[in-house]
Amino acid sequence: GQNIDQPTEMTATEGAIVQINCTYQTSGFNGLFWYQQHAGEAPTFLSYNVLDGLEEKGRFSSFLSRSKGYSYLLLKELQMKDSASYLCAVRDGWAAGNKLTFGGGTRVLVKP
Amino acid sequence: EPEVTQTPSHQVTQMGQEVILRCVPISNHLYFYWYRQILGQKVEFLVSFYNNEISEKSEIFDDQFSVERPDGSNFTLKIRSTKLEDSAMYFCASSEALGDRYEQYFGPGTRLTVT
Repeated sequence: GQNIDQPTEMTATEGAIVQINCTYQTSGFNGLFWYQQHAGEAPTFLSYNVLDGLEEKGRFSSFLSRSKGYSYLLLKELQMKDSASYLCAVRDGWAAGNKLTFGGGTRVLVKP
Repeated sequence: EPEVTQTPSHQVTQMGQEVILRCVPISNHLYFYWYRQILGQKVEFLVSFYNNEISEKSEIFDDQFSVERPDGSNFTLKIRSTKLEDSAMYFCASSEALGDRYEQYFGPGTRLTVT
């Protein structure tokens, strides 16, 4: 079966750093994706990891440890517009058309 | 920047009625997907589609559901006889076939309300 866990909610202050953890147990693995979703809107792609290590992309970084089934998304210099849900998703196969299995999302609230 | 579009943005229908949700994927993409998100719940995979046939489908995608690419640009999801529990946001997504990321680009969604 597929199991992807992430915290339900986190609160942080504008300008601070927040780390959102994701653990997964899936029958296959070909990449972990992070998406941002504002309320009532579509998920938008943030980052992708398929090998162990850190991927940095501006204020956002994502880390993966395949042996531990663990990833995190790091958001730096938080801005009010970063208030959103952050979705961890695993692609379970090697074909380009393989589905994404999503976690429940972490709602991040940025306070002034 | 190219984007996935979906129509309508909101559809209200009565239980038992048929609905067709429409999507226009990004033009050079070859893989198409439907996901749904029941209010307050996680995004769930329904079906993937490539080369005019279904690549993969979930348990949710039963005989009431069908997908079609009727022409070179549209991708549709049909629900034959809607149930109350089909009320959800339905997202279409597409990805290109080249590269290793194959990130999926999501459309804005169609909110389906079944009464």
